[in-house]
Amino acid sequence: GAGVSQSPRYKVAKRGQDVALRCDPISGHVSLFWYQQALGQGPEFLTYFQNEAQLDKSGLPSDRFFAERPEGSVSTLKIQRTQQEDSAVYLCASSARPGRRNYGYTFGSGTRLTVV
Amino acid sequence: AQSVSQHNHHVILSEAASLELGCNYSYGGTVNLFWYVQYPGQHLQLLLKYFSGDPLVKGIKGFEAEFIKSKFSFNLRKPSVQWSDTAEYFCAVRRGGNKLTFGTGTQLKVEL
Repeated sequence: GAGVSQSPRYKVAKRGQDVALRCDPISGHVSLFWYQQALGQGPEFLTYFQNEAQLDKSGLPSDRFFAERPEGSVSTLKIQRTQQEDSAVYLCASSARPGRRNYGYTFGSGTRLTVV
Repeated sequence: AQSVSQHNHHVILSEAASLELGCNYSYGGTVNLFWYVQYPGQHLQLLLKYFSGDPLVKGIKGFEAEFIKSKFSFNLRKPSVQWSDTAEYFCAVRRGGNKLTFGTGTQLKVEL
């Protein structure tokens, strides 16, 4: 597609529930990123994929967070046993071939997760 | 740890006023610098980016930014703002690797 698509747009979860957030990157984009944006803050890096390989997961806040991109295209961010502090907007971004100078990032509209 | 500071959290301007939003980062070495804008209800969009060369970078919608290496700064400017510039603006830095580190954002409101 023309842009990065994320679903659902909004998600309300009860504390302790598991959630799965989906990202469809721009077709052909090799790199995919997940960011977490808490209210009033800038996006914070969670994890990075190059094709299907998860090369950096240093930003995942706990082992309740898990991301995958099995075929190097669509990615899913899963949060197990959600807690109130997980409430945030989860952003996905994709970019073309890494290592190429001046490559940019295209962001999706995000999934707003509210844990009640 | 990488740190990106945006000191202006909220800015209110009248139309046609000049804009300057500050962005400072906390580490040396080679960096790539970005400004993103988020209009109400929309996704983050790239305004401009600096990789190398001329430190004065021109972006979309009349925005520009100047990279001053000695000051570790990349301030965003626009000579004359419009009501439609009302949005949140984020500075971001990439230092090696692929991930971006963002500032906390500046909420700009332009009044008619």
